[in-house]
Amino acid sequence: SSELTQDPAVSVALGQTVRITCQGDSLRSYYASWYQQKPGQAPVLVIYGKNNRPSGIPDRFSGSSSGNTASLTITGAQAEDEADYYCNSRDSSGPHVVFGGGTKLTVL
Amino acid sequence: EVQLVESGGGLVQPGGSLRLSCAASGFTFSSYSMNWVRQAPGKGLEWVSYISSSSSTIYYADSVKGRFTISRDNAKNSLYLQMNSLRDEDTAVYYCARENSGSYSNWFDPWGQGTLVTVSS
Repeated sequence: SSELTQDPAVSVALGQTVRITCQGDSLRSYYASWYQQKPGQAPVLVIYGKNNRPSGIPDRFSGSSSGNTASLTITGAQAEDEADYYCNSRDSSGPHVVFGGGTKLTVL
Repeated sequence: EVQLVESGGGLVQPGGSLRLSCAASGFTFSSYSMNWVRQAPGKGLEWVSYISSSSSTIYYADSVKGRFTISRDNAKNSLYLQMNSLRDEDTAVYYCARENSGSYSNWFDPWGQGTLVTVSS
C-alpha cells in the first residue's frame, strides 16, 4: 500500500502563516483531505477535494496540491488551531485509503 | 443533525472477541459508504475497514484481514465491526466515519466520538 509522509511537528507564531505538508505517490492521482484533531476529541474535517472547506471551518484554512505533495495552509494562525493535523487520500496501490502520520501544530 | 455514535468498546483478553456498533442519524444511511478508523494510544489514525452502501464491496487493512468483519444494517441505520482473535496491538479508540466522494477525492465526515477497545490480560 501507499504511504503519506508528514512532518511530525510544526510551530507557528500567533497570527502568522503556517504550511503543513503531506507527501505520497497517491497524491499524484488523488486530492488529499485534511483533519484536525484536538486532545481527547474525534478528528474533524477541515479541507477536502481541490480546496473545499466544510461549513463552519474558518476561511484561514486552505488546501493546495502540486505533484506528490499536498499542503494545508493556515493564514493567521490562532491559538485554537493548535492541534494534530492528518492528511489522507485514496490509496493508489492498496485496498482503499491511507492516512499520513500526523503533524502536531504548536501555536507560539 | 448528522451524527454517528459508537458503542461496544471495553476490556477484552488477548484472543477474545468484541462487536462494535455505530448508530447513524440525521442522514440517509443507506446512501453512504462507511468506514472504521482506529487510533492507538498516543499514535496516529489508521484506516481499518470499508463497506459500500449496499455491502457489495468490502475492504480491510492488512493488519486486521481475516480477524475483523465489517457489516451494516441499513434498516437499522447501523454499522458494525466484529473483532475476533484480538491482539494487544488492537488496543485503540475505534471511530466510525461516513465516506463522501467527489472527483479524484474522498473524505470522511462526520466522525463518531469513538469507542475505546483495550486488549489486555
